[in-house]
Amino acid sequence: QQPVQSPQAVILREGEDAVINCSSSKALYSVHWYRQKHGEAPVFLMILLKGGEQKGHEKISASFNEKKQQSSLYLTASQLSYSGTYFCGTEIGSGSEKLVFGKGTKLTVNP
Amino acid sequence: NAGVTQTPKFQVLKTGQSMTLQCAQDMNHNSMYWYRQDPGMGLRLIYYSASEGTTDKGEVPNGYNVSRLNKREFSLRLESAAPSQTSVYFCASSRRQVGEAFFGQGTRLTVV
Repeated sequence: QQPVQSPQAVILREGEDAVINCSSSKALYSVHWYRQKHGEAPVFLMILLKGGEQKGHEKISASFNEKKQQSSLYLTASQLSYSGTYFCGTEIGSGSEKLVFGKGTKLTVNP
Repeated sequence: NAGVTQTPKFQVLKTGQSMTLQCAQDMNHNSMYWYRQDPGMGLRLIYYSASEGTTDKGEVPNGYNVSRLNKREFSLRLESAAPSQTSVYFCASSRRQVGEAFFGQGTRLTVV
């Protein structure tokens, strides 16, 4: 039931771009993206609802293709502060309130 | 601005002991969640509560019980702790109808 994230880990140099993918075997109502820094709690980045929308947050944006049951997170011109583990969370069914997360993608941005 | 408060922050238990993890939120959220986080496994949902008075099983409910005491509080109980329950536990809350989830700072539990 957990969504599948890829890649498991990414290493970038400052200024490079990255894409993190999230897919589910079940139809999705919404996709959430969170970032967690070492030793801290996950922090919300954005939510995408079904309808194929894209959202942006500074230089971080995401897309949601409900037909393919996939979402992608785009990190542009990465900064050192982007380092952390990124999780996608999915809700199956409107109003289910059941939020299930993937295993995460560890992003390391080096100077 | 307390947000989601979890207690305790750290706990060491002996196998077979019981304990309750407490979680409270002050954002008037309807939905509350308990997750456990283990290396390489991501965040796994233990139980959730869509509203006061209701609770549902998540992905890994075995060995746990929950109580939604009121709208603010959602507790997680380990009746007979096992070493496999060594983990970091996060409580989260969100408004109903697809809201962002706010996480507590976590409880690091070790069962020896």
